[in-house]
Amino acid sequence: GENVEQHPSTLSVQEGDSAVIKCTYSDSASNYFPWYKQELGKRPQLIIDIRSNVGEKKDQRIAVTLNKTAKHFSLHITETQPEDSAVYFCAIGGGADGLTFGKGTHLIIQP
Amino acid sequence: DAGVTQSPTHLIKTRGQQVTLRCSPKSGHDTVSWYQQALGQGPQFIFQYYEEEERQRGNFPDRFSGHQFPNYSSELNVNALLLGDSALYLCASSIYGRQETQYFGPGTRLLVL
Repeated sequence: GENVEQHPSTLSVQEGDSAVIKCTYSDSASNYFPWYKQELGKRPQLIIDIRSNVGEKKDQRIAVTLNKTAKHFSLHITETQPEDSAVYFCAIGGGADGLTFGKGTHLIIQP
Repeated sequence: DAGVTQSPTHLIKTRGQQVTLRCSPKSGHDTVSWYQQALGQGPQFIFQYYEEEERQRGNFPDRFSGHQFPNYSSELNVNALLLGDSALYLCASSIYGRQETQYFGPGTRLLVL
């Protein structure tokens, strides 16, 4: 079945610095790569996504890059702010089993 | 524009009981997917409904079943509850044809004692 590895499991950065979270996958049929942000006790919120015909996508301070040959994609957050603190999940889609999620990265923004 | 809604927010059941969870998709969406999120883990796909039929299914036993109604709302039923079924159950809605772009509801927290 599909598998997604997400690293790191915890990431602590100083406010204003950048944060990068990486995911690797094994299923070549995957063609959709979303990122979700989940604050404590709340729903996962779709923050950015990319499809396999695009290498990079940016939305203000958030960007996602995709290397389909190497089967990995990354979330980049620049100029981090306290409200960026949350658990971030990568996921893959396009196969037969809905979205497959990584195990999550707990991002901590240090003041 | 109403987002995805779920009910109830919390539920406590005992082993062996049955439970029904409900979901109303975002306005304009016609596809509903259900996920189970254990504590500290990512959501795991249970199944997806479109046009009142189960279209995709993840690796969950037959104790997990669902239904979709003509108004696109959906139910998740779990029979013969086990302690390990304790989790946050999330519903996600989407538009068929781009069903991978999913928006989640707030979830139902199920505790099995």
